[in-house]
Amino acid sequence: DQQVKQNSPSLSVQEGRISILNCDYTNSMFDYFLWYKKYPAEGPTFLISISSIKDKNEDGRFTVFLNKSAKHLSLHIVPSQPGDSAVYFCAAMTNAGKSTFGDGTTLTVKP
Amino acid sequence: NAGVTQTPKFRILKIGQSMTLQCTQDMNHNYMYWYRQDPGMGLKLIYYSVGAGITDKGEVPNGYNVSRSTTEDFPLRLELAAPSQTSVYFCASSWGPGQEEAQYFGPGTRLLVL
Repeated sequence: DQQVKQNSPSLSVQEGRISILNCDYTNSMFDYFLWYKKYPAEGPTFLISISSIKDKNEDGRFTVFLNKSAKHLSLHIVPSQPGDSAVYFCAAMTNAGKSTFGDGTTLTVKP
Repeated sequence: NAGVTQTPKFRILKIGQSMTLQCTQDMNHNYMYWYRQDPGMGLKLIYYSVGAGITDKGEVPNGYNVSRSTTEDFPLRLELAAPSQTSVYFCASSWGPGQEEAQYFGPGTRLLVL
C-alpha cells in the first residue's frame, strides 16, 4: 500500500507559465511534507517543505499548498523556467523522522 | 564543507558477495538515512538513524544491515548480494523533524548484482 502517491508521471508546460505538481497521501500521522528536485545521476535536492499545521508555504517562485481534509498537497512553480526541468518528488515525514517518498513527476519546461 | 559523501560511486557484485556502502556527513546532523531507488520509482527507505547508536527499519530493510557508531558515519552492509538489490543507493542526513526536516543527499552509489 503506497502511502504517498504522485499520480502524474509527467507534466509539460511552457516557459513562463505555472507548473502544478500534485501529491496525495493516506497516512494521517504525517507531520511534515517536503518537495525535492532531482536531476539524472545526482542525489535529490530539497526545495520546500510545509508543516501539517499550516496550509501554505512560499519560497520565491515555489509555493506548497496543503489540504489536510483531502490529504492532498501541491507544488506551484511560477513562472516556470527551462532549468526547472527535472523529476520532482513529494515526501512525507512523521514526527519520528521516518520518511516516505512518492514515485516522482517528470517536469519538462519548454522554451 | 563536503556535505554528504558516499563511496563507492559504482560497484559490480556477484551473487552471494558482500559489501559495505559508506556514507559520511560533516554537518553534525542527528538523523541519517539510507534509500534505494529502482528505475522509474521513488526512493524507498531502507534504514534510518536518529543518532549515534540508534537505528530503525524503514520500508525495505530485508537483506541489509546498518550501524551508527559515530554521528558522522552510517554504513550500509549487504551480506549476501542478490540481483533484486541492483539499484541506486542514496544516503541522506538532516537535523530532524522540528528543527529542519530537509534531508541533504549524497550523490548515490550505483550497484549492479550479477
